[in-house]
Amino acid sequence: GAGVSQTPSNKVTEKGKYVELRCDPISGHTALYWYRQSLGQGPEFLIYFQGTGAADDSGLPNDRFFAVRPEGSVSTLKIQRTERGDSAVYLCASSLVPSGANVLTFGAGSRLTVL
Amino acid sequence: GNSVTQMEGPVTLSEEAFLTINCTYTATGYPSLFWYVQYPGEGLQLLLKATKADDKGSNKGFEATYRKETTSFHLEKGSVQVSDSAVYFCALTLYNQGGKLIFGQGTELSVKP
Repeated sequence: GAGVSQTPSNKVTEKGKYVELRCDPISGHTALYWYRQSLGQGPEFLIYFQGTGAADDSGLPNDRFFAVRPEGSVSTLKIQRTERGDSAVYLCASSLVPSGANVLTFGAGSRLTVL
Repeated sequence: GNSVTQMEGPVTLSEEAFLTINCTYTATGYPSLFWYVQYPGEGLQLLLKATKADDKGSNKGFEATYRKETTSFHLEKGSVQVSDSAVYFCALTLYNQGGKLIFGQGTELSVKP
């Protein structure tokens, strides 16, 4: 696609529920990144994929968070047993290759609210 | 560890005023440095970047110079417009980190007519 697409744009859920957030990167971009942005803060790295594999998942806060990218394109971030502290905007970005010289293109984000 | 520190906002300026937003970093090795901007209701967009010491990034009248000696990458614009109102994020990445960005906390800029 022309840009990075994220769905849903807004998600309200109850504490303890399971949530999936989807990211559709720019066509041909092999690297895909997930970030979390809390109110008034900068984006915080969660995980990035090179192709289908997670190359660095050091930012995932705990084992309730999991992400997949089974065909090397669309990715899904999965959050189990949601907690109120998970409320944030979840950002996805992609780049042609995972290199420091390459620019990341971000989606508009998925705003998650856990009641 | 690697980190980015930005001046706190919000910053409020009148149209045509001079803008400086300070950014300093701590990094092991030699990072690439970026400024991203988030306009109201929109996603993060790259504003400018610099990949080595003394490089100057520039775009849309904004400039920032990569200063290794002071570990800084301050954002400047000579004459701001109302349309520049946004949140600005300084960020770094290291060559061996797969393009993973580390962001500062962001600085909100509000420009009044």
